This record gives sequence, structure tokens and C-alpha cells, in this order.
Amino acid sequence: DTAVSQTPKYLVTQMGNDKSIKCEQNLGHDTMYWYKQDSKKFLKIMFSYNNKELIINETVPNRFSPKSPDKAHLNLHINSLELGDSAVYFCASSPRTKNTGELFFGEGSRLTVL
Amino acid sequence: GNSVTQMEGPVTLSEEAFLTINCTYTATGYPSLFWYVQYPGEGLQLLLKATKADDKGSNKGFEATYRKETTSFHLEKGSVQVSDSAVYFCALITRPGNQGGKLIFGQGTELSVKP
Repeated sequence: DTAVSQTPKYLVTQMGNDKSIKCEQNLGHDTMYWYKQDSKKFLKIMFSYNNKELIINETVPNRFSPKSPDKAHLNLHINSLELGDSAVYFCASSPRTKNTGELFFGEGSRLTVL
Repeated sequence: GNSVTQMEGPVTLSEEAFLTINCTYTATGYPSLFWYVQYPGEGLQLLLKATKADDKGSNKGFEATYRKETTSFHLEKGSVQVSDSAVYFCALITRPGNQGGKLIFGQGTELSVKP
């Protein structure tokens, strides 16, 4: 069983479209995250949720909207996609309410905006 | 601000060579330090960690020591294998134990091990 699973794994779309990436974890963790990895492999946190509550919201454009229907799911919706949104998006979860830095990552969703 | 700097890659080594990947950090307070590894086509996995000065983290033959005086957390392995080929990320967390603590990554160092 995959601990942190993301869908889709690959997404190719046109500029201006709206798309969503889904994430589910079956580890019973309280905290979930979205990270963005650019073409140079640099990773940056976007959001974190603890038990459906937004905890961290980095300076991410409003076009990005996370949604957590329950503590096992954290989805990422992106409106009006731009070329610069092309990246690999990683979902992660953490086993403790208080963040110790030990994260479990999904395999990533590669988004290509044409 | 808080940041992590790693040595530039890619690093190419022959099997059984000694590996060092340098990592230095800038942080306020007392961060916890980590090395994560990303194998091709996969997500990141925690490799090892250290939570206070002079702690040594170790796993799978890899080691790193938390050096507060030099603000460093260099990754070492005595004898690398082809299966160690991956991208290695040094990271720190600000305010460990706090919900708002963020895991901040270095830029990653790609390691390629040749048979």
C-alpha cells in the first residue's frame, strides 16, 4: 500500500486552464504539505494543513488553492495556469501535530504547462 | 533569514569511493538538521537527522554530524555503491516542535556512482 499517493503523476495542459492534483495519505498523520520542485530541483514549501486547518501559507499566488476535506486528503487546485507553474509538485505528511521535520513524501506530480 | 547551502553537483564517483557532500546553514535559534534522498522518479525519503549540536545522524552507511561552531552538517559515506545514485538534500527545520515550523531545503546535490 502506498503511504502518500498523488494523482495524477503526469499532467500536461495549456496556459489558462484550471487543474487539480489530489493527495491522500493512509498513515494516520495529522499534518499534510504541498511542496513545489522547480527544474533545478529546488524545493519550496507552499502550504501545510494540520487536521484540515491551514497552518502555513507561503507567498503563493491566489491562483493556488489547497483544500483539505479531511485530515487524510489535501488537494491542490490551480486556476489560470501559467508557464511558470510547470514543476513537480510533492505532497507530504508528518506523523506528529508538532512538526519535527520528519516528512513522508509522495512520488510527485509533474505538471507541464504549454 | 534561514537558509541551507549545499555543494554544487553533479558529483560523479566510482563505486567504493569516499563521499562527502558539504552542507552549511544559517538559522536563528536551534534548528534540527536533516538529509533527505530522492531516487530517480521517486519522492524524497528521510535519510538521517540530528536534533542538537554534536549529534551524529547515521543510516545505511551514511553519517552527518551537527556542527554548531561551523554551522555545518556534511554528509559522508565511506564506500558508495551504484545504488546510492540519487539527489541528496540537506534541510533544516525552524522552530522544531512548533506547528508553524518549516522544513527548508538546500538546492540538492546530484550524485552519480559509476561501476
